Order: sequence, then structure tokens, then C-alpha cells
Amino acid sequence: GESVGLHLPTLSVQEGDNSIINCAYSNSASDYFIWYKQESGKGPQFIIDIRSNMDKRQGQRVTVLLNKTVKHLSLQIAATQPGDSAVYFCAENMGNNNDMRFGAGTRLTVKP
Amino acid sequence: DTGVSQDPRHKITKRGQNVTFRCDPISEHNRLYWYRQTLGQGPEFLTYFQNEAQLEKSRLLSDRFSAERPKGSFSTLEIQRTEQGDSAMYLCASSFYGGGIVSGANVLTFGAGSRLTVL
Repeated sequence: GESVGLHLPTLSVQEGDNSIINCAYSNSASDYFIWYKQESGKGPQFIIDIRSNMDKRQGQRVTVLLNKTVKHLSLQIAATQPGDSAVYFCAENMGNNNDMRFGAGTRLTVKP
Repeated sequence: DTGVSQDPRHKITKRGQNVTFRCDPISEHNRLYWYRQTLGQGPEFLTYFQNEAQLEKSRLLSDRFSAERPKGSFSTLEIQRTEQGDSAMYLCASSFYGGGIVSGANVLTFGAGSRLTVL
């Protein structure tokens, strides 16, 4: 399953499928990006980050892709599990002070 | 260290009252951030401290809002004369900033938040 655009806030996938969550960022000068996961009643939790001098970074079951040309970031989750159900935010570093600004988020729902 | 702690977790108040939230960051972290999050939205930056110095304040932080970090450890966020529009989750986060960007080293660790409801 895949989310597109800034204004599609939900993504529903079947357990075991791959998920792709998209994010368009605002500042072409942003040099650092983080994906966060937020479960109900909790604060955002770090998933993976990427610097602007990279276009891909992999973690455990997650991959982040960065396309600076079109200011687009995506998070790919392999073999999505029910525990992956949450809201996912991308955040960009707005400057040298490490001030991170968040997008509106995408709610991922994993169906068993 | 149990992470970032926020208190209280929930606060219900009447319009016009003052409220104060407390954040205890991870002890090794020199930076502390306050964010506000409304339902269905991402966290919005309010302000941040490096040690005891408040380095930046968002325009969202009206003169009814004040934040302090007097000894460079815990921080408080006070909202005076609360309005219904102040109802939100107030998130605190901390990080260690050693200059520049090192992957993973500048990541914000968030607390669970303090939910404010203004009646």
C-alpha cells in the first residue's frame, strides 16, 4: 500500500504487505530528515533518519528514500505487522539549530 | 534514566485559569524542546533551550506562554489566562547537541505529553 500527497492522512494495508508512506517537505535547504512513529497516547518515537547527502538509508524492515529534486521523502516498511499501526511523521531540520519541523502525518492501519 | 518525563499527563481547566507543565529531560541531554500537537496534526515547534538559555521561540508562543529552564535541567511551560484554543497535547523532547549533525546523535526523544483541555 502507498500514501500519496500531503493530504491523504490514512493508509490501510494487509499484514505482511509492504507499506510506503510519502512526505513532501518544504525547505530546499533542509539537510537532515527523520521519520517518527507515534502510537496512541505516546510521544513520537524515532524510526530512521537520513542526511541530505544520501538518497537512501536502510534500517531493520524500514528504508527511507530522499529525492531532493522534488523535495520528497518516503518511508518503506517491509512485511508490515500489526504493531506497525500508528501515525507516521516526517520531520525536517530547518537550520543549524537542529530545529525539527513536522509534517501532518499519515495514519497507518494494518489489517490482520 | 527512564527517558523524558512530563507532568501532569492530563489537565482539565476552566478558561482564564493558569496552568503549568513540567518536563524532566534525559539527564545527559543539553537541549530541551517544547512542541504543541492538536488532534490529527503533527507537532508544532514552540521553543527550545540549550542548557538554560532559551534560543528560539515560535510566533505560536504568544505572550501568555512562558517557558523556563532555570538550571539547565527540568523545564516548565506556563500558560496564563488559558483559552479554549490552547487545548492540545504539549510535548517535551530532549536531545544532545554537540555541534553539527551526526546521524542519530541529534534525534529528539519525546515524552508522552501533557494533554490540556480548556473548558
